[in-house]
Amino acid sequence: GQSLEQPSEVTAVEGAIVQINCTYQTSGFYGLSWYQQHDGGAPTFLSYNALDGLEETGRFSSFLSRSDSYGYLLLQELQMKDSASYFCAALGDFNKFYFGSGTKLNVKP
Amino acid sequence: DAGITQSPRHKVTETGTPVTLRCHQTENHRYMYWYRQDPGHGLRLIHYSYGVKDTDKGEVSDGYSVSRSKTEDFLLTLESATSSQTSVYFCAISEGQRYEAFFGQGTRLTVV
Repeated sequence: GQSLEQPSEVTAVEGAIVQINCTYQTSGFYGLSWYQQHDGGAPTFLSYNALDGLEETGRFSSFLSRSDSYGYLLLQELQMKDSASYFCAALGDFNKFYFGSGTKLNVKP
Repeated sequence: DAGITQSPRHKVTETGTPVTLRCHQTENHRYMYWYRQDPGHGLRLIHYSYGVKDTDKGEVSDGYSVSRSKTEDFLLTLESATSSQTSVYFCAISEGQRYEAFFGQGTRLTVV
């Protein structure tokens, strides 16, 4: 089966850096992506790693280590608007996306 | 924003009744997906489609069926709704050559 584990909740202060980890176990793996979801909204794509290493997109960076079946999302210079849930998702066989249970990020002033 | 529309956005139905949710895309993407989202479970794949009339089961397909007669439409049917199917349902699309999925705004379904 498919399994992606991530912390359920993280709290940080405005301006800080936070890292959200994700470990995965999937049959067939083509890459790891990250999505943001605000309360009542739809998930929106943030970043994707197909290869090992770090991908940077503005204040957000994502990392993948295939050998460790591990990745993380790094959010820098946290802003209040970053308060949301963050999901890692593995791209598996037949172009299926499998999601973790999500990490709720609380940003405090 | 990707052109993806779900209907209805909200629905309340009675146990035992059939329900159909519709997902419509204007992006001509090959892949379409139905997910359900419940607290503590994230997004779980119900069914997906890899082309017209080509569908397959996901992780939580029991009690659900799908159909895709046109590229742009993907229907999810609950044959006989149960209270355990109360959830928020999201449709997503993907181009296949890229690694991101685009989501509709969701349908909140309540089975009473």
